[in-house]
Amino acid sequence: GDSVTQMEGPVTLSEEAFLTINCTYTATGYPSLFWYVQYPGEGLQLLLKATKADDKGSNKGFEATYRKETTSFHLEKGSVQVSDSAVYFCALTPGGSQGNLIFGKGTKLSVKP
Amino acid sequence: EAGVVQSPRYKIIEKKQPVAFWCNPISGHNTLYWYLQNLGQGPELLIRYENEEAVDDSQLPKDRFSAERLKGVDSTLKIQPAELGDSAVYLCASSLGKSPGSTDTQYFGPGTRLTVL
Repeated sequence: GDSVTQMEGPVTLSEEAFLTINCTYTATGYPSLFWYVQYPGEGLQLLLKATKADDKGSNKGFEATYRKETTSFHLEKGSVQVSDSAVYFCALTPGGSQGNLIFGKGTKLSVKP
Repeated sequence: EAGVVQSPRYKIIEKKQPVAFWCNPISGHNTLYWYLQNLGQGPELLIRYENEEAVDDSQLPKDRFSAERLKGVDSTLKIQPAELGDSAVYLCASSLGKSPGSTDTQYFGPGTRLTVL
């Protein structure tokens, strides 16, 4: 079945460091890909998404590119802030369906001043 | 615009007791989801509603879990009886659901953290 694998955390960075969180997926067809973020004490929020190959999703300085050839959707940010400390989830919805999100296990990011 | 509302935020019960969670989706959202999130894991779908119809309940443990969305708006998820392994966060999400085949954004509530003793 469809699945998402993301790098295990926790990831600890200093403020202004470069961030990469790796995400790869297994899916039949052409899934849509998402990054969700969960700040401490809050619900999941959509960070960015991409619906077809080579699309780049971006928001709040974060970017991810849908790479069909490597089945990847890595999250990047050039300069992280303390306020970016959160748990980040990579997810997909199977191709052609308006449907259920399949999540990775999440990666906890801690940014220190 | 109000987001997805869930209550209670926290619930502690003893095993074998019943428990219910309530969700009010964003106004106008036809699709409602219940997810289960175990500690250190990503959410997993329990059930999805399109209006009042449960269109995917394949992952719902029907021996003890039930859900309803009688008027196609708010929804209740129930566990009876609860077991120790049910301790988790129960998330509700909603989406517009008006364009079949499109990729609706799902908006999540804050969740209900259940502890079964």
